[in-house]
Amino acid sequence: TQLLEQSPQFLSIQEGENLTVYCNSSSVFSSLQWYRQEPGEGPVLLVTVVTGGEVKKLKRLTFQFGDARKDSSLHITAAQPGDTGLYLCAGARNNDMRFGAGTRLTVKP
Amino acid sequence: SQTIHQWPATLVQPVGSPLSLECTVEGTSNPNLYWYRQAAGRGLQLLFYSVGIGQISSEVPQNLSASRPQDRQFILSSKKLLLSDSGFYLCAWSKGTRVINEQFFGPGTRLTVL
Repeated sequence: TQLLEQSPQFLSIQEGENLTVYCNSSSVFSSLQWYRQEPGEGPVLLVTVVTGGEVKKLKRLTFQFGDARKDSSLHITAAQPGDTGLYLCAGARNNDMRFGAGTRLTVKP
Repeated sequence: SQTIHQWPATLVQPVGSPLSLECTVEGTSNPNLYWYRQAAGRGLQLLFYSVGIGQISSEVPQNLSASRPQDRQFILSSKKLLLSDSGFYLCAWSKGTRVINEQFFGPGTRLTVL
């Protein structure tokens, strides 16, 4: 079983729609990162959240860390085809970090 | 600025052949180094990590091994490849902090074992 569960596993939407993807765990993390990975490339770090309840915005992307630091969400407003990719969350605790299986997002023009 | 390199970018090898993938990091010293494998369309499986020269921790028992001969060099090896070793291999580095472990990934190596 995955330490971090990401949902949905796959998501296909039209350009301009909004979406939210989730990263859930029963474990508490000292920090949580979100990465985006395009086919054939390595993941690229988008954001790190550290404080429970923290909200960070990166242009049209909004990241939230749960109050208990066990879960996180990523909301994308007005999705664009360039947002297509695999979104991975990773939780850090005890100097160790584990990745979820990812949400594969496809934004159709 | 820091950069991370991996080579080769792609590799096709027969079953039973040896493997050597190399990863180097520039622009930082004493990084933590990681090897991950990613199956098609799936998340990352941590294979090995290293906190210093000659220090290797294995996460998953398998026919792969890792070595760190220099501070910024990490090598993934196998004596005899299996079909199940096919996948996308990613090297990553992070600063050696205990609280935040942001990892920075290389471009990856696509390995196909036939």
